[in-house]
Amino acid sequence: GESVGLHLPTLSVQEGDNSIINCAYSNSASDYFIWYKQESGKGPQFIIDIRSNMDKRQGQRVTVLLNKTVKHLSLQIAATQPGDSAVYFCAVKDDKIIFGKGTRLHILP
Amino acid sequence: EAQVTQNPRYLITVTGKKLTVTCSQNMNHEYMSWYRQDPGLGLRQIYYSMNVEVTDKGDVPEGYKVSRKEKRNFPLILESPSPNQTSLYFCASSPRGGRAEKLFFGSGTQLSVL
Repeated sequence: GESVGLHLPTLSVQEGDNSIINCAYSNSASDYFIWYKQESGKGPQFIIDIRSNMDKRQGQRVTVLLNKTVKHLSLQIAATQPGDSAVYFCAVKDDKIIFGKGTRLHILP
Repeated sequence: EAQVTQNPRYLITVTGKKLTVTCSQNMNHEYMSWYRQDPGLGLRQIYYSMNVEVTDKGDVPEGYKVSRKEKRNFPLILESPSPNQTSLYFCASSPRGGRAEKLFFGSGTQLSVL
């Protein structure tokens, strides 16, 4: 079955720098990928998604990159701000949605 | 405001005492789902519903029940809670479950079973 993993459980980034959070998946048939942000005490919140017919998608200060060859997904946050402090996790869909375990992003002043 | 509402936010109970966690969405979504979130394990699906009167088991359904009598409501029932059901629970919905669409999550219910 599908498995989804993140490379780092914790990431510390200086305020103003760019953050890159990675995710790997196992099923090459996966066709839809989503990044969620979960702030302390809140439910996961949709950030950005990408379908398998694309390799890059940009939102406001966020970019998702999809490399289907190596089955790797990344979330890039530009000019990281204190409000970006949260747990970020990817979700991958083939016949159902599988969630990664999350990377906690710490913002250093 | 479009949202998924769960109640209660926090619940402490004792082993064997039946409880219900309510979930309601005001977006007319067909698909609804329950997840539990445990440290180191991420989000795991308990049950889901593709539409009214249609429910299916997720990955960890043991010890839980659900019902979908109306489109907006999807309660989670623990008939005889046990300590291993202590967890953070999330309800989620999306317009249609068969398509690849993002999920909208509630704020969570922290359950402690003593």
